[in-house]
Amino acid sequence: QSALTQPRSVSGSPGQSVTISCTGTSSDVGGYNYVSWYQQHPGKAPKLMIYDVSKRPSGVPDRFSGSKSGNTASLTISGLQAEDEADYYCCSYAGSHGVFGGGTKLTVL
Amino acid sequence: EVQLVESGGGLVKPGGSLRLSCAASGFTFSSYSMNWVRQAPGKGLEWVSSISSSSSYIYYADSVKGRFTISRDNAKNSLYLQMNSLRAEDTAVYYCARVACRLSCYLDYWGQGTLVTVSS
Repeated sequence: QSALTQPRSVSGSPGQSVTISCTGTSSDVGGYNYVSWYQQHPGKAPKLMIYDVSKRPSGVPDRFSGSKSGNTASLTISGLQAEDEADYYCCSYAGSHGVFGGGTKLTVL
Repeated sequence: EVQLVESGGGLVKPGGSLRLSCAASGFTFSSYSMNWVRQAPGKGLEWVSSISSSSSYIYYADSVKGRFTISRDNAKNSLYLQMNSLRAEDTAVYYCARVACRLSCYLDYWGQGTLVTVSS
């Protein structure tokens, strides 16, 4: 199964909003609501930020939101903060297999 | 508090074997499916394998099928990954992760990872 497609990098200034896209196919992103997003700081383990396309786990700020249209899912971070600088990965996990996006490096200018 | 602690990583020669372990605590281990995910140096995340709560369902990525074996011991709250015929491209940090399911399934808790280096 091919990896999901994400932009390699995005950037924004503190207080601004950024959106990271994640493009798959009708067999993964487009066909089901099996989309989750993970944040990873350098040298750290990934952390779940969004599941079921748009739901936030307890403790994740409401600045983080998720959506989906067709075969493309999106993660939007509003009110950017310095601590948001990290790598972000989307994932389509169907139980029998998982596929991640290539990752997007978010730089807070 | 949910905790996942991997161990067993290290340096191994190509063609060699290694067994990773993941010790779970803070939740009812026997109720959850578990995954292994790896990350090569400077690269992205790659799903490796999954195992259901009772070991009835096991799946592998094509890249490791036939070489890696996932298993678990619910009495010991432990997850394992037996890695045989290791290749240079298996060099990575290996994470164990818990699977949670609502409308979909996702990886809600991750361990800190253990580094596997395959080199002569």
